[in-house]
Amino acid sequence: DAGVIQSPRHEVTEMGQEVTLRCKPISGHNSLFWYRQTMMRGLELLIYFNNNVPIDDSGMPEDRFSAKMPNASFSTLKIQPSEPRDSAVYFCASSFPGQIYEQYFGPGTRLTVT
Amino acid sequence: GNSVTQMEGPVTLSEEAFLTINCTYTATGYPSLFWYVQYPGEGLQLLLKATKADDKGSNKGFEATYRKETTSFHLEKGSVQVSDSAVYFCALRAVYNFNKFYFGSGTKLNVKP
Repeated sequence: DAGVIQSPRHEVTEMGQEVTLRCKPISGHNSLFWYRQTMMRGLELLIYFNNNVPIDDSGMPEDRFSAKMPNASFSTLKIQPSEPRDSAVYFCASSFPGQIYEQYFGPGTRLTVT
Repeated sequence: GNSVTQMEGPVTLSEEAFLTINCTYTATGYPSLFWYVQYPGEGLQLLLKATKADDKGSNKGFEATYRKETTSFHLEKGSVQVSDSAVYFCALRAVYNFNKFYFGSGTKLNVKP
């Protein structure tokens, strides 16, 4: 299996621009998670989908952030407009639903907003 | 509520030393417990897990036992190597609250030759 796939791996953009991060979960996994990791705040859960439906978006920092999952094999995280404080590594992870199952993480997208 | 508390890092050890990284949790019900490892520049990888009380998870020489009475899941390794240098995260998956994951803050391990 190819694992969780994220693109791009690195993104550098200017403040005010729109940024779209992409994720392809492992086939058969129907839970998908978006995380943000920074030195200051550590690993933060942004949003969690189950069967393509957003279950918990309480971690989304503000209205500039939005996430979609149009089908079981694709999700996007969009930031519009981007700000320098959004600079971080963004991870996507997928899992089977249910308490006993672990998450599988993608390699992450390193976002730099200048 | 649900939460995970890990010991502060960094932890610096010499090669072949014994490792313990403490992890305690608070949870409603009986969660599953996990240890993840993150090498520089990479995503988190599952190291081991335990899904019920008294289970012992093990992998690559690392072990952790699910202790319900002390709500702990400490990570141990008898002899660390330089290649074990990484950040280690303890996590739980909640029975309630839509099966969310809760991560500790991570503990950085540096192993010196």
